Amino acid sequence: NAGVTQTPKFQVLKTGQSMTLQCAQDMNHNSMYWYRQDPGMGLRLIYYSASEGTTDKGEVPNGYNVSRLNKREFSLRLESAAPSQTSVYFCASSGGGSSYEQYFGPGTRLTVT
Amino acid sequence: DQQVKQNSPSLSVQEGRISILNCDYTNSMFDYFLWYKKYPAEGPTFLISISSIKDKNEDGRFTVFLNKSAKHLSLHIVPSQPGDSAVYFCAAVKWANNLFFGTGTRLTVIP
Repeated sequence: NAGVTQTPKFQVLKTGQSMTLQCAQDMNHNSMYWYRQDPGMGLRLIYYSASEGTTDKGEVPNGYNVSRLNKREFSLRLESAAPSQTSVYFCASSGGGSSYEQYFGPGTRLTVT
Repeated sequence: DQQVKQNSPSLSVQEGRISILNCDYTNSMFDYFLWYKKYPAEGPTFLISISSIKDKNEDGRFTVFLNKSAKHLSLHIVPSQPGDSAVYFCAAVKWANNLFFGTGTRLTVIP
């Protein structure tokens, strides 16, 4: 049972480049989430997917797009990276409904120069 | 606008003593609260939670207290152990299972 996995672990991009962060969970969870963590700011929700086939904006969605590929996979895309998107990105999943506990992946550290 | 606040960035405690981590929130619509623990280069891991209809929840060495009138919750760790050294985040749920996180408190347990 791997839980929540994320690829890549590290990435350096130049301003304007694009990339997709991948996330997969093997816990048969309905809901999946993308967060970013910046120094001194805690984790902030970028996008979430309450169930397969649905996605919604979180607190800081600008500059990002997401795809819920199937129940297991939820990807985050940066179309044109900016230095302000330098951050650590975490994917999480939860059972949804009355199950509030979210389970997190190990994170992707992204630097945009 | 930070709706969940952890005003102490760091805390140091001797091994065996009690660690008390505090968290305040501003939105009275929050109805569920969680504590997460995070080691460097890892994702946060769930520790303990409490519903707004309770004022205390206990799990082994960890107890969470909720004071709704003060919009305050705290995490007590007794006795503290060196392996508890980590960053602790409190989080609150308002809708659609979306978590609002505090900024974290770095706990150091001194052997």
